[in-house]
Amino acid sequence: GQNIDQPTEMTATEGAIVQINCTYQTSGFNGLFWYQQHAGEAPTFLSYNVLDGLEEKGRFSSFLSRSKGYSYLLLKELQMKDSASYLCAVRDRNYQLIWGAGTKLIIKP
Amino acid sequence: NAGVTQTPKFRVLKTGQSMTLLCAQDMNHEYMYWYRQDPGMGLRLIHYSVGEGTTAKGEVPDGYNVSRLKKQNFLLGLESAAPSQTSVYFCASSPLGDSYNEQFFGPGTRLTVL
Repeated sequence: GQNIDQPTEMTATEGAIVQINCTYQTSGFNGLFWYQQHAGEAPTFLSYNVLDGLEEKGRFSSFLSRSKGYSYLLLKELQMKDSASYLCAVRDRNYQLIWGAGTKLIIKP
Repeated sequence: NAGVTQTPKFRVLKTGQSMTLLCAQDMNHEYMYWYRQDPGMGLRLIHYSVGEGTTAKGEVPDGYNVSRLKKQNFLLGLESAAPSQTSVYFCASSPLGDSYNEQFFGPGTRLTVL
């Protein structure tokens, strides 16, 4: 079967750095996505990785290792507004997105 | 641009009732999707469409039907609602192409079936 694993919840301090991990086992691989979802709202796109390595976009970076089936999302200079759930999703060989259950990130002052 | 819109935002149904959820997008996207999101679980694909007049089953299609008569609209129908269909339903759309094509989500419909 197909599986995406990420921690259920993480806590970090305002101004700090946090790394959210995602491991996957899917039927084929055509890219990995990270989405942010604030409580009661729709998911919004953060990043996309299809090749190994680090993609940086402002305070957010995403890393991919296809051989290890592993990705992480790195958030720097945390702000209170970063409190949200972070969803990892892998596009499989049929170009369908397989979603993880999400990591709820709590930011404390 | 309104992006992806969904109606209604909230609905309460009794077991056995039927309803239709409407999704509309103004980005001229080819692909449209219906997902459900339940606590502790990832988004699960119900049905999707790769173009006007086409639909296909996703991971959890039972109890739902869809139609894509116009490119901009994607309807999700519940024929006979069951408590197990209590969930938050998200519609999404994405453009054609095999490069990275992010999905754009609507605000969701919160459905409770009593």
